[in-house]
Amino acid sequence: AQSVAQPEDQVNVAEGNPLTVKCTYSVSGNPYLFWYVQYPNRGLQFLLKYITGDNLVKGSYGFEAEFNKSQTSFHLKKPSALVSDSALYFCAVRDDAGAGSYQLTFGKGTKLSVIP
Amino acid sequence: GAGVSQSPRYKVAKRGQDVALRCDPISGHVSLFWYQQALGQGPEFLTYFQNEAQLDKSGLPSDRFFAERPEGSVSTLKIQRTQQEDSAVYLCASSLVTGGFFNEQFFGPGTRLTVL
Repeated sequence: AQSVAQPEDQVNVAEGNPLTVKCTYSVSGNPYLFWYVQYPNRGLQFLLKYITGDNLVKGSYGFEAEFNKSQTSFHLKKPSALVSDSALYFCAVRDDAGAGSYQLTFGKGTKLSVIP
Repeated sequence: GAGVSQSPRYKVAKRGQDVALRCDPISGHVSLFWYQQALGQGPEFLTYFQNEAQLDKSGLPSDRFFAERPEGSVSTLKIQRTQQEDSAVYLCASSLVTGGFFNEQFFGPGTRLTVL
């Protein structure tokens, strides 16, 4: 079974400060990990993914995420937050050992508020 | 090009009514997914199509839920005899390749269903 946890319902950060949105996962095999962002009344937008290779993944809008296998984490980071980054962020995982299963499992989401 | 579109954007139904939700994926996308997103939660997988074949329907919550994609493009999610617990946002996503295991999914804006 695959699962993902986002331990923080909300993260507040001042504009210009670095931000981190946390995600941990559980899989039987190897994880495929994704971050999506959701703005009000809009669908989810893809930010970045980890499949294999470098543990530091760079994505859209200056976001990056670090895959840590020993800690089963995939935290989303950005060096300098913008007010426009305020949105709902979802971490998602698929287990490569889940043969025949096409399910992508999402966390509950973390609301990021960047304060001017 | 055009993204994933869904219609209607909002649907209000009386308990017991049948509803049909439409998804137009990105042209040429093989994979199509339906998700249910309850208020304050992350999306939950409902079903997956590869072209016209429904390969995974394990997430459909009951036999009142039915999905089809007869020509491998447009998909319809039908809910019969709607109940209040069906109230949620229904998201459709498409992906270019088969299974979309490690490819990002492109999401539509969703249909917000309210059952009175």
